[in-house]
Amino acid sequence: EAGVAQSPRYKIIEKRQSVAFWCNPISGHATLYWYQQILGQGPKLLIQFQNNGVVDDSQLPKDRFSAERLKGVDSTLKIQPAKLEDSAVYLCASSASGGGTQYFGPGTRLLVL
Amino acid sequence: DQQVKQNSPSLSVQEGRISILNCDYTNSMFDYFLWYKKYPAEGPTFLISISSIKDKNEDGRFTVFLNKSAKHLSLHIVPSQPGDSAVYFCAASEEGNTPLVFGKGTRLSVIA
Repeated sequence: EAGVAQSPRYKIIEKRQSVAFWCNPISGHATLYWYQQILGQGPKLLIQFQNNGVVDDSQLPKDRFSAERLKGVDSTLKIQPAKLEDSAVYLCASSASGGGTQYFGPGTRLLVL
Repeated sequence: DQQVKQNSPSLSVQEGRISILNCDYTNSMFDYFLWYKKYPAEGPTFLISISSIKDKNEDGRFTVFLNKSAKHLSLHIVPSQPGDSAVYFCAASEEGNTPLVFGKGTRLSVIA
């Protein structure tokens, strides 16, 4: 069974530029999560989707971050404009159902200069 | 306010000995707990979980213990192997469709 796929693996941008990350969850997993992991911290949830609907986006900085999961499968996370403090690893995870074990992708490491 | 705390940022253990990683939580609504292992440049990998109806769960060399009254859980690795060297995250969630809350992680180094 293929795991969670993410791309790109690394991205370097300058502040005020925009960036997008892509995630393809494990086949059949209805729930998809985006996490932000800052160096030295644990992952922090940004947004949770159930199929193509948003379940929880309370921690998403909506003035600059947006995410979508239009067909209930893959998802994109966008940052526009990026700030220095957005430098982090962005992790995508999926689970068969909400509350179940989450399986993580390799992450996208973002550096904002 | 950190709801899940891993107070030891690092731990060194000799190969063959027991590794004990600790985790405390403050939210009494948490009822499902997980441990993830993370190697550099990789995403967290699910290791073992326990629900609040149990106080112990075992999987090979890994055992998780849950003490609900103390709001404490621990991960035991016996015997420890060099390949176990990684960052270990404790995570918790409430019943139903709720996200995981992670601790800051503990870096385990197993010395040959």
